[in-house]
Amino acid sequence: ETGVTQTPRHLVMGMTNKKSLKCEQHLGHNAMYWYKQSAKKPLELMFVYSLEERVENNSVPSRFSPECPNSSHLFLHLHTLQPEDSALYLCASSQETGDYGYTFGSGTRLTVV
Amino acid sequence: RKEVEQDPGPFNVPEGATVAFNCTYSNSASQSFFWYRQDCRKEPKLLMSVYSSGNEDGRFTAQLNRASQYISLLIRDSKLSDSATYLCVVPGGNQFYFGTGTSLTVIP
Repeated sequence: ETGVTQTPRHLVMGMTNKKSLKCEQHLGHNAMYWYKQSAKKPLELMFVYSLEERVENNSVPSRFSPECPNSSHLFLHLHTLQPEDSALYLCASSQETGDYGYTFGSGTRLTVV
Repeated sequence: RKEVEQDPGPFNVPEGATVAFNCTYSNSASQSFFWYRQDCRKEPKLLMSVYSSGNEDGRFTAQLNRASQYISLLIRDSKLSDSATYLCVVPGGNQFYFGTGTSLTVIP
């Protein structure tokens, strides 16, 4: 399997649920990212990991908790979300952080009810 | 000022037309730039990279104007399959900054 794989593709969860999004990359990249894409808005960076170390956290609410156990895997743990958190969550990877092109996963479309 | 600004469109053009999108950026230190294509309900995919004055790939030409801090994307001989949202992307620090995207619909 190649590229960046995200699971699940779709997720519907209640505000009291706990769920996790998974991202796996098979490109040998050192940097991984979580982005949020809401309707009519630009992609918003949430977290950046470089060699499993978090290097950027863009003032994301604590109900979103990232985890990077190794350079190939990235998780986003979700708990007590709000309806306004409904969006497309995209994982991406790049060779390094900085001036390198991203490869995106197909995203998880999250609906909070 | 936003890091990256794009005209959201929509641009509706007939098949075979030439269409151009512009994107302005605020970080004068940026050295590389990217255009991504995003189809409806899909992830963004890299279309072109721009590291110097410009880049050409078939019907697509990207140009960079550092003095005015804008990047353009030119699509010649538009195809129906070109219909998508085109995202302008500018690196900054540990992240990329995305524009809101320009929507293109090519009409038969």
